[in-house]
Formats: sequence, C-alpha cells, structure tokens
Amino acid sequence: NFMLTQPHSVLESPGKTVTISCTRSSGSIASNSVQWYQQRPGSSPSTVIYENYQRPSGVSDRFSGSIDRSSNSASLIISGIKTEDEADYYCQSYDSNNVIFGGGTRLTVL
Amino acid sequence: EVQLVESGGGLLQPGGSLRLSCEVSGFIFRSYAMSWVRQAPGKGLEWVSVITDSGDDTKSADSVRGRFIISRDNSKNTLYLQMNSLRDEDTAVYYCAKGVGSSYPQSRVIDYWGQGTLVTVSS
Repeated sequence: NFMLTQPHSVLESPGKTVTISCTRSSGSIASNSVQWYQQRPGSSPSTVIYENYQRPSGVSDRFSGSIDRSSNSASLIISGIKTEDEADYYCQSYDSNNVIFGGGTRLTVL
Repeated sequence: EVQLVESGGGLLQPGGSLRLSCEVSGFIFRSYAMSWVRQAPGKGLEWVSVITDSGDDTKSADSVRGRFIISRDNSKNTLYLQMNSLRDEDTAVYYCAKGVGSSYPQSRVIDYWGQGTLVTVSS
C-alpha cells in the first residue's frame, strides 16, 4: 500500500490563493485518480474535486485540482479564499484493493 | 436531489454486533457502487468497505476484514454494514458514500456523502 501525505495545517487571508499538497509515497501519482473532500466543522465531508481536476456541479470554480508527476503529488488550489472555506481538506486515491486517504489539512482563514 | 441517510448507530460493548443501514434516494441506486467510510473522534477519514453496483464484488480494509460485511438490497435502495466482533477502536462516525461509477476504478471515487451515524464501542 502507498501513503498520501498532506501538511497538517495552512493559514491564509481572505482573498488570497492557497495550495494544499498531497504526496504519494510509492507508485506514480498519475496511476490512479486523486479526489479532494472538504469537511467543515461539525459536518460530513463533501466532494470538491474528483478524478484529479473535475469539479462536481455546484462547487465553486474557485476550487481546482492538478497533479505533478515530477513531485509525485496532487494539489488542491483555492483562489479568492472566503471565511466559509475554513475546513479540513482530505485527498484520496486508491488501488485495486484499497482506498487511501491523506491525513487531512486544516485550512484556517485569518 | 441525492440523499443518503444512515441509521443503526449506537452504544455497545466490545465483542458485540450491529448492523448499519443507508437508505438512498435521488439517483438510480442499482447503477452505482457504494462505500462505507468512518471517522474516529478527532481523527481523519478511514475507508472501510466498497461494493459494486450489483453486489457481486466487495473489498474491505485490513482493519475490518473478517469482521465487517458490506451488502446491499437494490430493491430497497439500501446499503448495509454488518459489524461483528466490535472493538474499542471501531468507535467512529460511519458515513455512507456513493461512487461515481458501478465498479473499479470509478467505485473508488466518491461524489456524495451521508450525514453519518455514530457507533460507540465501550465497556
């Protein structure tokens, strides 16, 4: 099994852009798609990015996703940050036998 | 509107059994894979099990394999998780989640989540 490593926390100000990384420990990041889930305090998770860069209907276009083969990582980019974006963000990928989540990143909007 | 509503959580002792249910609406249940994901208090998300659209293939995490069984009844639009030989470390909120497709690999991609049901295992 591989692991997905995320920073524990990031801080940013309203209106700015933040990038949250998700690094795969072994195997290529491009082998299996990466998803991103948002979990606001006291709420269940919701999907903000799936299949690397696809956005579900209803999700703001301020959210975007990408993968970088050179660093073997995926990224969630949130532009024009709002206070409502303050939440935990989890990346996720998989192989044929498992589904793997990153440890989560707490985004604090200053 | 897609809705996933879990039920069946509660407090029980180690070694006990419990069955969770997830009733869905707003999409064609029999056409999509489904998963269970859990979250221990103050911790991150942990995948538990996945089942294909027809129910003919399932996968489970090492931590629950042999103790938990995922199943579905497509005539009732309902997903189940039978939990046996429960341990303290199974204490968590259990979420039902919908896959974007019917089988691998799209079964591993989640687009909708339920609100969760709390399972507490304690003596």
